[in-house]
Amino acid sequence: DTAVSQTPKYLVTQMGNDKSIKCEQNLGHDTMYWYKQDSKKFLKIMFSYNNKELIINETVPNRFSPKSPDKAHLNLHINSLELGDSAVYFCASSRVPGGGSPLHFGNGTRLTVT
Amino acid sequence: DAKTTQPPSMDCAEGRAANLPCNHSTISGNEYVYWYRQIHSQGPQYIIHGLKNNETNEMASLIITEDRKSSTLILPHATLRDTAVYYCIVRVGRGYNTDKLIFGTGTRLQVFP
Repeated sequence: DTAVSQTPKYLVTQMGNDKSIKCEQNLGHDTMYWYKQDSKKFLKIMFSYNNKELIINETVPNRFSPKSPDKAHLNLHINSLELGDSAVYFCASSRVPGGGSPLHFGNGTRLTVT
Repeated sequence: DAKTTQPPSMDCAEGRAANLPCNHSTISGNEYVYWYRQIHSQGPQYIIHGLKNNETNEMASLIITEDRKSSTLILPHATLRDTAVYYCIVRVGRGYNTDKLIFGTGTRLQVFP
């Protein structure tokens, strides 16, 4: 079974639409993250949650709203999509926050905004 | 900004050891060194991490210098499937609101037959 799974794998949509990406982890981890990889391949953190509570919000536009219904899920909702939102979005989880607990990443959602 | 410096690319013959260097001269005492790799556009794959001591697992070995200002990831017998971008990352040890992996540009390792 996949440890960190994201759906959908590909998402093509038009500017101005609202879309959601779902993430689930079956590792029993307390902490979950969203990372964004842009066209230049830079990976950057967007959010982190620990036990369903927001810990890090890395100055992401408020059109992006994460939601964690339980420890195993962290969804990402994006309002009023813009061309610049096109990227690959990766979900990740770790047992706890902090340096000794590796992050495990999903395989990403490739978002294309036209 | 990433706290690490890596060569942009390296080549390695299949079956030989791949030694990937990383400089992290500003690392703090509670910061870990992590290595991840990314194959094509798949999700980053965890390889290994360490704080002060050298570490080994089924994938690789991590050698950290005594002053902790640099490290080397060793893939003992590289295969074609090890072709990927390898990221060396310094990660804060404590503090929920500072816990994040800051990815740099990595080293593109090409393993050739």
